[in-house]
Amino acid sequence: DSGVTQTPKHLITATGQRVTLRCSPRSGDLSVYWYQQSLDQGLQFLIQYYNGEERAKGNILERFSAQQFPDLHSELNLSSLELGDSALYFCASSVARSGALHEQYFGPGTRLTVT
Amino acid sequence: SQQGEEDPQALSIQEGENATMNCSYKTSINNLQWYRQNSGRGLVHLILIRSNEREKHSGRLRVTLDTSKKSSSLLITASRAADTASYFCATDGRGSTLGRLYFGRGTQLTVWP
Repeated sequence: DSGVTQTPKHLITATGQRVTLRCSPRSGDLSVYWYQQSLDQGLQFLIQYYNGEERAKGNILERFSAQQFPDLHSELNLSSLELGDSALYFCASSVARSGALHEQYFGPGTRLTVT
Repeated sequence: SQQGEEDPQALSIQEGENATMNCSYKTSINNLQWYRQNSGRGLVHLILIRSNEREKHSGRLRVTLDTSKKSSSLLITASRAADTASYFCATDGRGSTLGRLYFGRGTQLTVWP
């Protein structure tokens, strides 16, 4: 158990809908990262927050947004969903502002299926 | 792309044998990490090696790093059926946006009992 929790585990929804994925980092970790894992794209970095502020942005679509709250949990919002958004979405956390200098701890993921 | 690329894509061995996976990357790095993922589960951090290190050990794991060749290898000795998983290397890309990791496509390791 990494100490990172994600809800829900599975999500099935229709095209055009909007969903919110939630992540609670390990106790004491200030950085939260979101990744998308799909068969065709592999594991892609989406966005990082550090202590409530956006720190780094990756291949995140404009239809997607995220935020980190004062209690450090984070939410990833996916809107106008398309079939191609079906993937595993992982949240990870680390202590450092620059997560690349320290290991990242991954949650179990949310499997999103868009029908 | 700065992504690491693992080789081979898939590896199948018997219990007790050693498994070697390789990773190549394109840009200079601060460090390189190896992660493991059981099917459909989250990634588990295995080991981190800094750019000024050449070799690192952790239990049955041995990681080497050759920054001149921009490559790394992960050796699992005396493999067990429980080692069956996908293994990913991840780099940070020195000079790039800090905080993000670049992952390869992974090596699928199957260890037969």
